[in-house]
Amino acid sequence: DAGVIQSPRHEVTEMGQEVTLRCKPISGHNSLFWYRQTMMRGLELLIYFNNNVPIDDSGMPEDRFSAKMPNASFSTLKIQPSEPRDSAVYFCASSLTGTSGLNTGELFFGEGSRLTVL
Amino acid sequence: QQQVKQSPQSLIVQKGGIPIINCAYENTAFDYFPWYQQFPGKGPALLIAIRPDVSEKKEGRFTISFNKSAKQFSLHIMDSQPGDSATYFCAVGGFKTIFGAGTRLFVKA
Repeated sequence: DAGVIQSPRHEVTEMGQEVTLRCKPISGHNSLFWYRQTMMRGLELLIYFNNNVPIDDSGMPEDRFSAKMPNASFSTLKIQPSEPRDSAVYFCASSLTGTSGLNTGELFFGEGSRLTVL
Repeated sequence: QQQVKQSPQSLIVQKGGIPIINCAYENTAFDYFPWYQQFPGKGPALLIAIRPDVSEKKEGRFTISFNKSAKQFSLHIMDSQPGDSATYFCAVGGFKTIFGAGTRLFVKA
């Protein structure tokens, strides 16, 4: 299996521009997670989906951030407009969650998208 | 609200030493306690995990000790090697997985 695939791997943009990060989860996985990693705040959960439905978006910093999962094999995280404080590595992860909805299994992470906002 | 507290932030040991990383969590809504390892430029990868019905789990040189009543768990790395130099994250899993702040481990040759 190819694993979780994220694109782009690196993105440099200017403040105010729209940024779209993409993720293809592992085939057969039914949960997808977006995390943001910074030195100051570590790994923060932004949002997670179960069966393509957003379950918890309480970690999304503000309205400038939005995420979609139109089908089981694709998700996007969009920042509009971007700001320098959004600079971070954004990780997508997927897992197989049981019918209880509890996430008690391995998360498989992509290699991340490093975003720099100038 | 910080639900997972990890310590230390960084750790330096000699080759063959036994680094210990600790984690404490704040509520009992979690029932899965994994440790992830991350190398520079890569995403975290699962190292070892434990469920709350056991107090210890070993996989190779890695051991998790779990104290349910104290709401604490720790990672021990036996006979540490330079290749173990990485960042280690504890996590707690329930309806979502929440990570600790991470520990940067450096193993001197």
